[in-house]
Amino acid sequence: SQTIHQWPATLVQPVGSPLSLECTVEGTSNPNLYWYRQAAGRGLQLLFYSVGIGQISSEVPQNLSASRPQDRQFILSSKKLLLSDSGFYLCAWSLQGLGEKLFFGSGTQLSVL
Amino acid sequence: GENVEQHPSTLSVQEGDSAVIKCTYSDSASNYFPWYKQELGKGPQLIIDIRSNVGEKKDQRIAVTLNKTAKHFSLHITETQPEDSAVYFCAASSSGGFKTIFGAGTRLFVKA
Repeated sequence: SQTIHQWPATLVQPVGSPLSLECTVEGTSNPNLYWYRQAAGRGLQLLFYSVGIGQISSEVPQNLSASRPQDRQFILSSKKLLLSDSGFYLCAWSLQGLGEKLFFGSGTQLSVL
Repeated sequence: GENVEQHPSTLSVQEGDSAVIKCTYSDSASNYFPWYKQELGKGPQLIIDIRSNVGEKKDQRIAVTLNKTAKHFSLHITETQPEDSAVYFCAASSSGGFKTIFGAGTRLFVKA
């Protein structure tokens, strides 16, 4: 069966520090991968998606970037965090070619202070 | 741009009662409508979905209805239980598309 791992679960970072969140998927090949952000009490905003290694599409211009160095690994990064980067970050995957049913990781609660 | 509106934002029901959450979408190309349940501190999980060629789908105590003409779809939970308490998100997407548009969520409280 397929599983998705996302870490860390919580993270407290000072303004201006770098960020690296990692997500890996097991049990499937060539998945679509996604990074979403959820602000407190709000819906999910798509940040990035990837259909293959090295292929990244950005949905929202911002202080963040994403990379896919391996087929089942997706990384969310920032060189310098802003206060507004605080939120709940979710990694997700879907089957290649469908892009519909999303399977989410357990999320990372990021607090930028 | 595409938009999904969800109501109500908060819903409180007595255990055993029914709960209904309603959503509207703007993109006529949308043909896939999933519902996700998110428990505190966890990622959302798909609980039921419906495609545009179907008007209604049921899975035990949950059902979803779709009105393509009005661009409305709804989630119905019958015989609610305390473990149904969570945040529920509706969403809409189109085949082959990567942009699933989510509603803002409904926080459901089921009182024992």
